[in-house]
Amino acid sequence: DQQVKQNSPSLSVQEGRISILNCDYTNSMFDYFLWYKKYPAEGPTFLISISSIKDKNEDGRFTVFLNKSAKHLSLHIVPSQPGDSAVYFCAASAAGGGADGLTFGKGTHLIIQP
Amino acid sequence: DGGITQSPKYLFRKEGQNVTLSCEQNLNHDAMYWYRQDPGQGLRLIYYSQIVNDFQKGDIAEGYSVSREKKESFPLTVTSAQKNPTAFYLCASSIDTSGSYEQFFGPGTRLTVL
Repeated sequence: DQQVKQNSPSLSVQEGRISILNCDYTNSMFDYFLWYKKYPAEGPTFLISISSIKDKNEDGRFTVFLNKSAKHLSLHIVPSQPGDSAVYFCAASAAGGGADGLTFGKGTHLIIQP
Repeated sequence: DGGITQSPKYLFRKEGQNVTLSCEQNLNHDAMYWYRQDPGQGLRLIYYSQIVNDFQKGDIAEGYSVSREKKESFPLTVTSAQKNPTAFYLCASSIDTSGSYEQFFGPGTRLTVL
């Protein structure tokens, strides 16, 4: 039972364009959502997060949108750069659930084409 | 320079042997976690610890054991009972305070069973 789903295993985007990575969740108790970026053979690095009381959070080139009614969130990267090529994981936690870990999606491999 | 260290980066083990993966953090975080990543999969929680001398099973704890004798250290032992131990193992930590769910990850250990 996959509670966090990233339905696109890979995504190819031209340099300079917008990259949009999508994530769906099924657990209505989730109230905190995070995006992590991961290079091969390295640990994930935190990118951006959003609380369920908000619908948008922006940090430089990265913006996360949350649609609670649809149980959907997306990460926008504008403009896309070659260094953005990596696997992106969506993660979620429930209220008070920070102590017992995050639930991760399977990841989307973003490839930025020159 | 705070962070999380994992050692070794690569580890080879013969079938039937136990092996211990090291994880140390100097971020003064209370909570620590162990995840496992397999190809094409997200990160799955093995064990977590909210505080020294306390730890809880995650989603896939069978065949693993942990200890938390010091705040800075959370070693993971992969026992011979783990049927498919070859994987990439990630350690993480977080401040276990209300509203703070971001987790910081170490560089990972790749375990290969020969």
